[in-house]
Formats: sequence, C-alpha cells, structure tokens
Amino acid sequence: QVQLVESGGGVVQPGRSLRLSCGASGFTFNKYGIHWVRQAPGKGLEWVALIWYDGSKKYYADSVKGRFTISRDNSKNTLSLQMNSLGAEDTAVYYCARESQQWGVTFFDYWGQGALVTVSS
Amino acid sequence: DIQMTQSPSSLSAAVGDRVTITCRASQSISTYLNWYQQKPGKAPKLLIYDASTLYTGVPSRFSGSGSGIDFTLTISSLQPEDFASYYCQQSDNTPVTFGQGTKVEI
Repeated sequence: QVQLVESGGGVVQPGRSLRLSCGASGFTFNKYGIHWVRQAPGKGLEWVALIWYDGSKKYYADSVKGRFTISRDNSKNTLSLQMNSLGAEDTAVYYCARESQQWGVTFFDYWGQGALVTVSS
Repeated sequence: DIQMTQSPSSLSAAVGDRVTITCRASQSISTYLNWYQQKPGKAPKLLIYDASTLYTGVPSRFSGSGSGIDFTLTISSLQPEDFASYYCQQSDNTPVTFGQGTKVEI
C-alpha cells in the first residue's frame, strides 16, 4: 500500500536549520510530484513547496522562498525539505503529500502522518 | 495567488443532519476544486476532487458541486465519524491554496 513517512522534526532555535525527510513506498515514486504542506498549531493548511516527478521543477510559497529547498532522490524514494533561517512562524506540522491527476485535475491523494517542527529558544 | 474563502468557519450539527459548507474562489477556477477532511492529530484525507467526483472509498453521503467561483460540500446525513474539519483547495494555479477550514462540531 502507498505510504509516506516523514522524519526529522524536532525543536530548533530561531535562525537555525532543520532538514525533513519523507520516505515513500508502495508506488512508483519517480512518476509523481510531491508537495510539502504545513499546519501551524490550531490553524489551517498552508502549501509550502512542490517538486516535479523528475525533480526538474520546484515551486515555493512566498513565505519560505529563499529559505527552504525541496529536493528528491528517486533512486532512494525519498523527498527532503531543507529549512534554513527558521523563525517562530515556521512552527507547524509538516506533511508530505503525493500529487495525483485525473482529467487534468490535480489533488493530494496520499499524505504522510506529519512531522512537528517547533522553533523556539 | 487565488484566495479561497470557506463559510462557515464552524458549525454545530446533530447526527442525521444535512450539512452544507461553501467555498468561494477569488477568481474562476473552473472545477479545479478539491475537498479534504481532517480529524484532530491526523493528516487530511481526500474526499472529493474535480469539484464533484467522489474519491475512492468515500461514502456516498458526501457530495460536491459548483464551478467557476462558488462550490459546495454537502453531507446528506451527518454520521458520528464525520465530526471533523473540512478544507477546500484549488488546484487551478500554483501556488495551490486552501480555504481556512470549517469545523463541524456536535
């Protein structure tokens, strides 16, 4: 079955860096775009970044552009999010989510369980 | 960026009630609209995509409608397991954007 498993969350001081990983199994990883979506405590969902199936294109939310880098290793079925210059506003649960498509419509059909990132001194 | 506005932000309902949640886009998105359900401490789950297509395994009491700017999620007869938060999401443009969510409570 399709599985996405995030790892790497934790407590980090403001201004420091953290790297999240997302391991995928149960599907052909190199055929799917993957997104990061985050959710601050008690808040709604916020899209963070997207990487195409082959890694050729990457997109970022304005709130993280220049600080976060999304990457993937299709040989290892893994996705990463390098987060630099973290601030309190980045405190959230981070989900990786698979993008699927039908009739030209894209949607997130599988999500990981989430990784909590807490930025605090 | 396309703004998605959901209403209401929360509602109280009873088992068996018909529940309707609306989502309005700041510009036309055709039917590039998806709905998700999220329970506390869990990842969101896809309910409906392409505005009205029920995702695999989702009960038929859930339905979606709309196109262009205005969309609706309807639960025809609320069940105990439906008490959760619901989010709309547009996939017409990058960045994808979500509504602020609607919490369905008893």
